[in-house]
Amino acid sequence: DIQLTQSPSTLSASVGDRVTITCRASQNIYSWLAWYQQKPGKAPELLIYKASSLASGVPSRFSGSGSGTEFTLTISSLQPDDFATYFCQQFISYPLTFGGGTRVEI
Amino acid sequence: QLQLQESGPGLVKPSETLSLTCTVSGDSFSSSGHYWAWIRQPPGKGPEWVGSVSHGGSTSYNPSLKSRVTISVDTSKRQFSLKLRSVTAADTAIYSCARTVGGLVNWFDPWGQGTLVTVSS
Repeated sequence: DIQLTQSPSTLSASVGDRVTITCRASQNIYSWLAWYQQKPGKAPELLIYKASSLASGVPSRFSGSGSGTEFTLTISSLQPDDFATYFCQQFISYPLTFGGGTRVEI
Repeated sequence: QLQLQESGPGLVKPSETLSLTCTVSGDSFSSSGHYWAWIRQPPGKGPEWVGSVSHGGSTSYNPSLKSRVTISVDTSKRQFSLKLRSVTAADTAIYSCARTVGGLVNWFDPWGQGTLVTVSS
């Protein structure tokens, strides 16, 4: 199985901060990576697919980059609505796997 | 807008079978190319893909659960279902259904809200 390791597991930030979350894959997954946002009690929402493509309706302050084994999700200016948990997912091979998540807190 | 909603018991006894249903609304359920997935998230951990099914009934399961899992589809009811046999406390998790966009191996969008299933006597 492909292991995805996210760092940090928890991130403390303030409104307006630039935030970067890292996802490392245990082997080359090219650009086959997605990012999701999850708020307590709500369904996860797709943010980024194919490493850097912004999902429909997602604010432009979110961006994704990377390829191979190292990927980043960046929030250019953190907004109050962005305090949530973020996780990555690879879709190059079975079984589909996810990272452990990064909680962004105030 | 496509919406998914999970339903089923929130409490299952050890050794019994966990059964959940996902009802799809708002878009064509039988659009070719999409698959329908179950994903679970144990408390405090990252998500785990359980398995997927096509509208035609083709399935794929996580090898770690394959011996205990069955996913089926009922296109007339716009539903797909999960059965997980011989459950233990380790199967306690939030179970979510989701669409796999455009194929069996892809990203998930959208997701259902998820339902907490606790395995306990």
